[in-house]
Amino acid sequence: KQEVTQIPAALSVPEGENLVLNCSFTDSAIYNLQWFRQDPGKGLTSLLLIQSSQREQTSGRLNASLDKSSGRSTLYIAASQPGDSATYLCAVRGGSNTGKLIFGQGTTLQVKP
Amino acid sequence: DAGVTQSPTHLIKTRGQQVTLRCSPKSGHDTVSWYQQALGQGPQFIFQYYEEEERQRGNFPDRFSGHQFPNYSSELNVNALLLGDSALYLCASSWLGAGNIQYFGAGTRLSVL
Repeated sequence: KQEVTQIPAALSVPEGENLVLNCSFTDSAIYNLQWFRQDPGKGLTSLLLIQSSQREQTSGRLNASLDKSSGRSTLYIAASQPGDSATYLCAVRGGSNTGKLIFGQGTTLQVKP
Repeated sequence: DAGVTQSPTHLIKTRGQQVTLRCSPKSGHDTVSWYQQALGQGPQFIFQYYEEEERQRGNFPDRFSGHQFPNYSSELNVNALLLGDSALYLCASSWLGAGNIQYFGAGTRLSVL
């Protein structure tokens, strides 16, 4: 059974810091991995999607890496800003014929001005 | 182009009642998935609908049922509500022919008293 874990559960940093959020999964047979952002009480916004054949994806100040063999992904946020404050969720998809996303519990990030 | 829309935004029910939540998919999408997100947790997959049939189901009791209409919109029905059903219910739409990448709505907040 696939399980997804995110560490830390919460993180508080001063504005301008570079930071790394971690995601681990127990079954390396994944189709893809996705990072989402969720603002309080809101839906999910997709940030980055990494296919199982890829090692990393970049979008602006965000970079996500994937190491399938070790069951790990990281989300790197450069030069953090107060507007980055939100909960970040990672989710894995097990196969091309499944629509089921398995989520971690999320990391709640606070960036202080 | 409207994204995924869900209604209502908030809902308050009492134990034992029944509730229906609605979702309109993004234009061009033919598949709808439903997730339950308890406070402080990651979303949990309930089920996915394609061509008006339940294509895949997560670990939820039969009290949770759904429907997809010919225009691809969907309903989630929950019978005999329990206090533990209080959560944010998220709908995601996708196009099965384009890798089934899911786009999420803002969710319906259900409170069971």
